[in-house]
Amino acid sequence: DIQMTQSPSSLSASVGDSVNLTCRAGENVGTSLNWYQHKPGKAPSLVIHSASSLVRGVPLRFSAGGSGTDFALTITDLHPEDSGYYYCQQTHTYPRTFGQGTTVEIK
Amino acid sequence: QAQLVQSGAVVKKPGASVKVSCKASGYIFSVYDINWVRQAPGQGPEWIGYMFPDSDVFDSAEKFQGRLTMTTNTSISTAYMELSRLTSDDTAVYYCARGVTGRETYSFDSWGQGSLVTVSS
Repeated sequence: DIQMTQSPSSLSASVGDSVNLTCRAGENVGTSLNWYQHKPGKAPSLVIHSASSLVRGVPLRFSAGGSGTDFALTITDLHPEDSGYYYCQQTHTYPRTFGQGTTVEIK
Repeated sequence: QAQLVQSGAVVKKPGASVKVSCKASGYIFSVYDINWVRQAPGQGPEWIGYMFPDSDVFDSAEKFQGRLTMTTNTSISTAYMELSRLTSDDTAVYYCARGVTGRETYSFDSWGQGSLVTVSS
């Protein structure tokens, strides 16, 4: 199985800040990398697919990039509604594996 | 807009089986995969498996093989995930998610609200 490692495990930032979340794959996954946002009590939602493609309707302050084994999700101009858990996922091979997540807290 | 609505929370005893349902609306159910994912307390999501509705096309994580059954009923746009021989390690929130194949990759673009399964004696 391909292990996905996210860092940091949690972060706290202020409204208006920029934050950078990273995800490392244990093997080359090309650009088969997705990012999900998950708020407690709600269904997870896809924010980025194919490593860097923003899902329609997701604010432009979200951006992402990377390929192979190293990926990053950046949120600029942090808004209160951006708080929650963020997970990366590889869909290059089976089983589809997720990272352990990064918790984003707004100060 | 695609929507997935899951069955409610259940409590099961060790050794029992659980069946979670996932009713789809807002799209043609038979055209997209249904994936199942679970998340145990304090852990990241774990992919369980997927199935293409009304077909023999499916795959699952090795750890669930032998006690996992995934089925669909296309007449009511509903997918089911049944897990048998439950242990306390199976306590988790179980999600269904629609799988879509994009230009470059595969992703889960719509998710159910989750079904809490608690295994306790």
